[in-house]
Amino acid sequence: SYELTQSPSVSVSPGQTARITCSGDALPKKYAYWYQQKSGQAPVLVIYEDNKRPSGIPERFSGSSSGTLATLTISGARVEDEADYYCYSTDISGGVFGGGTKLTVL
Amino acid sequence: QVQLVQSGAEEKKPGASVKVSCKASGYTFSTYAMHWVRQAPGQRLEWMGWINAGNGKTKYSQNFQGRVTITKDTSASTAYMELSSLRFEDTAVYYCARDGVAAIDYWGQGTLVTVSS
Repeated sequence: SYELTQSPSVSVSPGQTARITCSGDALPKKYAYWYQQKSGQAPVLVIYEDNKRPSGIPERFSGSSSGTLATLTISGARVEDEADYYCYSTDISGGVFGGGTKLTVL
Repeated sequence: QVQLVQSGAEEKKPGASVKVSCKASGYTFSTYAMHWVRQAPGQRLEWMGWINAGNGKTKYSQNFQGRVTITKDTSASTAYMELSSLRFEDTAVYYCARDGVAAIDYWGQGTLVTVSS
């Protein structure tokens, strides 16, 4: 079955740039989406269709995709950005989430 | 405003079935598909399937093939997810989530299903 691979954790200091990656064979043809999930809460969409930001999401969140790699970038990370981040995409079988990346900001 | 309100927590024995509901408000229910996603304790999000809320067509993850059934009641603006032959490893929070114009955009609050003997 189709898989999306994320590194388990990323750690940055406040104000630094955090980059979270997601690799998948179908990403050259399929969009990547990114969700933020804070402890005990439902996920929140932060990036859709590779690089679009929903209304209400801070400009420090951006996305890009090249080949089999999608990247979520948080420029000037804040303590409140500490969360798990999941990439999501689709293939012929349906939807698939990456394994998640725990972002620590301290 | 769009809201998805799910039914309450459930505790079931192995082998039983569970049916979770998701009532939508703030938009025309039949316009958008509804996904179901689950998350076991400390684990990743796992996509289970979805239903076209207009024509009722469904698609399921192969990981749940034969055990999961997603249905809808358009008159009640409600989607349902039924999981059968429950196992201990089905203990998880189950979410419904709307497939909006371009993405899965709104999520329910989650329903904890505990499988315990």
